[in-house]
Amino acid sequence: SQTIHQWPATLVQPVGSPLSLECTVEGTSNPNLYWYRQAAGRGLQLLFYSVGIGQISSEVPQNLSASRPQDRQFILSSKKLLLSDSGFYLCAWSGGLTYGYTFGSGTRLTVV
Amino acid sequence: AQSVTQPDIHITVSEGASLELRCNYSYGATPYLFWYVQSPGQGLQLLLKYFSGDTLVQGIKGFEAEFKRSQSSFNLRKPSVHWSDAAEYFCAVVTSSGGSYIPTFGRGTSLIVHP
Repeated sequence: SQTIHQWPATLVQPVGSPLSLECTVEGTSNPNLYWYRQAAGRGLQLLFYSVGIGQISSEVPQNLSASRPQDRQFILSSKKLLLSDSGFYLCAWSGGLTYGYTFGSGTRLTVV
Repeated sequence: AQSVTQPDIHITVSEGASLELRCNYSYGATPYLFWYVQSPGQGLQLLLKYFSGDTLVQGIKGFEAEFKRSQSSFNLRKPSVHWSDAAEYFCAVVTSSGGSYIPTFGRGTSLIVHP
């Protein structure tokens, strides 16, 4: 069966520090991968999606970036965190429209 | 551009009462619609989805949703709410972009269940 792993679960980082959040999927190949950010009371904001290795589409301009170095690995990064980067980050994968979207358990990021 | 509106930020119901969570979408073509549930501090779990065919869709945990094209709505319902249903509920519409399917989520409705 397919599983999605996201880590760390929680992270407290100072302003200006770098960020690296990792997401991996098991049990499938060539998934579509997504990074969402969830701010309190604001729903889910799509940040990046990827349809294949090295293929990244950005939905919102900001100081975050994403990379897909391997088929089932999706990384969210920042060189210098801002206070406004605080939030709950969710990774998701899809094997196609009819399969729906499966989410990881999320990372709670607090920038202090 | 597509959008999803969940007009109710909070809904409070008593345990055992019926529930309806509203969702309206804006999309020019045939929509693909989903409902997800999120418990505090957790990821999202798929409740049900609609692609085509029967407009009344059955999901997990006793939930159902009805697609009404004339009203651009996909409301979620449950005949009798349990205390464990207290959570955040998200409606999503999936659209095509350059060969990819991208989910757009509503802002969510927080369900509070009173004993």
